[in-house]
Amino acid sequence: EDQVTQSPEALRLQEGESSSLNCSYTVSGLRGLFWYRQDPGKGPEFLFTLYSAGEEKEKERLKATLTKKESFLHITAPKPEDSATYLCAVQGRSNYQLIWGAGTKLIIKP
Amino acid sequence: GAGVSQSPSNKVTEKGKDVELRCDPISGHTALYWYRQRLGQGLEFLIYFQGNSAPDKSGLPSDRFSAERTGESVSTLTIQRTQQEDSAVYLCASSLGGVVWNQPQHFGDGTRLSIL
Repeated sequence: EDQVTQSPEALRLQEGESSSLNCSYTVSGLRGLFWYRQDPGKGPEFLFTLYSAGEEKEKERLKATLTKKESFLHITAPKPEDSATYLCAVQGRSNYQLIWGAGTKLIIKP
Repeated sequence: GAGVSQSPSNKVTEKGKDVELRCDPISGHTALYWYRQRLGQGLEFLIYFQGNSAPDKSGLPSDRFSAERTGESVSTLTIQRTQQEDSAVYLCASSLGGVVWNQPQHFGDGTRLSIL
């Protein structure tokens, strides 16, 4: 059964304290892994797509990496505005359906 | 605007009433998706449209839920005889779709539905 597990459920960091969020997945035939950010009262905002193991993508303080079993979202020197829930989703054999994780709620304290 | 637009942003209604939620996808996106997100939970897939057809309705929770899409553009999600457990945020997303099958989905800000 295709499955996505995100950890931790919640993470509190001080401003400037770097860390990583984990997305572990089991899926038949990975076609893509997607990271999103969701702010309260808003829809998910697309961040990155990773297609194959070894791939990395960067955007400002965020860097996403992918292996055959998991993806990490590394946050370097975070700021309070990075506080949000980060969602991971994978696309397997389906042409359209994504399997979503429950998210990691990130809180950055000034 | 360039993004996915949903209306209304908030809807409060009495149990047993029908509600209609609207989604305007990004222009040129042939694929459209509806999700439900209960408070503090992940995204629950409801239905997928490719153009005007819905090849997968497997996520619709009951026959009280229906959706349609016209002109490869606007979609409406209708919930009949609403129940309190229908209270949630209903999110719409669109993507290029078609042969471009692993492109990201782009979301609207959702309709927050509250059933009294």
